[in-house]
Amino acid sequence: DQQVKQNSPSLSVQEGRISILNCDYTNSMFDYFLWYKKYPAEGPTFLISISSIKDKNEDGRFTVFLNKSAKHLSLHIVPSQPGDSAVYFCAALDTGRRALTFGSGTRLQVQP
Amino acid sequence: EPEVTQTPSHQVTQMGQEVILHCVPISNHLYFYWYRQILGQKVEFLVSFYNNEISEKSEIFDDQFSVERPDGSNFTLKIRSTKLEDSAMYFCASFKGRNEQFFGPGTRLTVL
Repeated sequence: DQQVKQNSPSLSVQEGRISILNCDYTNSMFDYFLWYKKYPAEGPTFLISISSIKDKNEDGRFTVFLNKSAKHLSLHIVPSQPGDSAVYFCAALDTGRRALTFGSGTRLQVQP
Repeated sequence: EPEVTQTPSHQVTQMGQEVILHCVPISNHLYFYWYRQILGQKVEFLVSFYNNEISEKSEIFDDQFSVERPDGSNFTLKIRSTKLEDSAMYFCASFKGRNEQFFGPGTRLTVL
């Protein structure tokens, strides 16, 4: 089941630069998308979300972009900080079901 | 800030034994979930619970699994006869009615 795909298992960026994490989905029924951040031995922490009726949502250093026609979303972190180093999960929701479908995650390493 | 709590943080059991994992969701939330993450794999949906009954369950959630909300605060996941392949991190999540689900820190279940 590959309904939500994060094709980059890892990403390394310099502190202060932009981090761009990508996510693709195949299920047209998904209408809400979320990004979670996860540190080892902790649960996923909600970061930011976007409804399918929007193409951009911004919260501080985090911006999520949604391209519905391409079934693609991305998370931009600007500027990146060492504390952002974690695994980032893209998740999608078919609000009729309310069960999250997760991607496999991207490990972000921000180098000081 | 209110958070989802889970106990124990780590549970070791013998194959065939019953385990109960405990969660205290955020107090004014209405929907409750269990997810699991086998080492190296995606976070997978198990079951959702609303209005004192299961609202949805995945193929993973077979007859060996059950959930309960025995009082106004606790939400439990029981595995009746554990198998080796049940070894995973189990995450409880809750949400109020918007779409952001909030996750607990997880219980690591090790079946020997």
